[in-house]
Amino acid sequence: GENVEQHPSTLSVQEGDSAVIKCTYSDSASNYFPWYKQELGKRPQLIIDIRSNVGEKKDQRIAVTLNKTAKHFSLHITETQPEDSAVYFCAASMGSNYQLIWGAGTKLIIKP
Amino acid sequence: IAGITQAPTSQILAAGRRMTLRCTQDMRHNAMYWYRQDLGLGLRLIHYSNTAGTTGKGEVPDGYSVSRANTDDFPLTLASAVPSQTSVYFCASSETVGAGELFFGEGSRLTVL
Repeated sequence: GENVEQHPSTLSVQEGDSAVIKCTYSDSASNYFPWYKQELGKRPQLIIDIRSNVGEKKDQRIAVTLNKTAKHFSLHITETQPEDSAVYFCAASMGSNYQLIWGAGTKLIIKP
Repeated sequence: IAGITQAPTSQILAAGRRMTLRCTQDMRHNAMYWYRQDLGLGLRLIHYSNTAGTTGKGEVPDGYSVSRANTDDFPLTLASAVPSQTSVYFCASSETVGAGELFFGEGSRLTVL
């Protein structure tokens, strides 16, 4: 069935280091891949997205890469800061109606 | 501008009771969604609406119903609540379906005893 797998489920990195979260998707027709950040007790908010006609997109310390052949995409956060601590969700548009299917989330912990 | 407003923010409910979660947006977005969020399972789509007057089933629609009488409102009803429906429920909207930013409400925490 349609699914998105996200790894790792928990990631702990030293402040200032980089963090990478990876997602794989099942539907080769997927064409939209957003990443959302959810702080504890808050609503998810979009941080970056990429469409299938682009291989990489960057916004300051955040970047997303897409490999359509392998059907996976990744979130890269450089120079991590305490405020990056949150749960990050990937998603991919799937199905005839292109609804988003979500990964299970990655809890990112930034160690001081 | 409020964005998306959900009510109630939290509710404890006895099993078997009927419950409606309210969702209102003021962005004139065409598409609206209801998700449930459970630990370790991410966000799962319950129902969606591409435009006023239409609704569709998501991944986990059983036990839930929705209506979309106008652009702004998208209530979610649990006809007869069961403990497995204990969850945090998020309403969201987007300008169009399929691609583009989802704007989420603050969530409704529902506990069914």
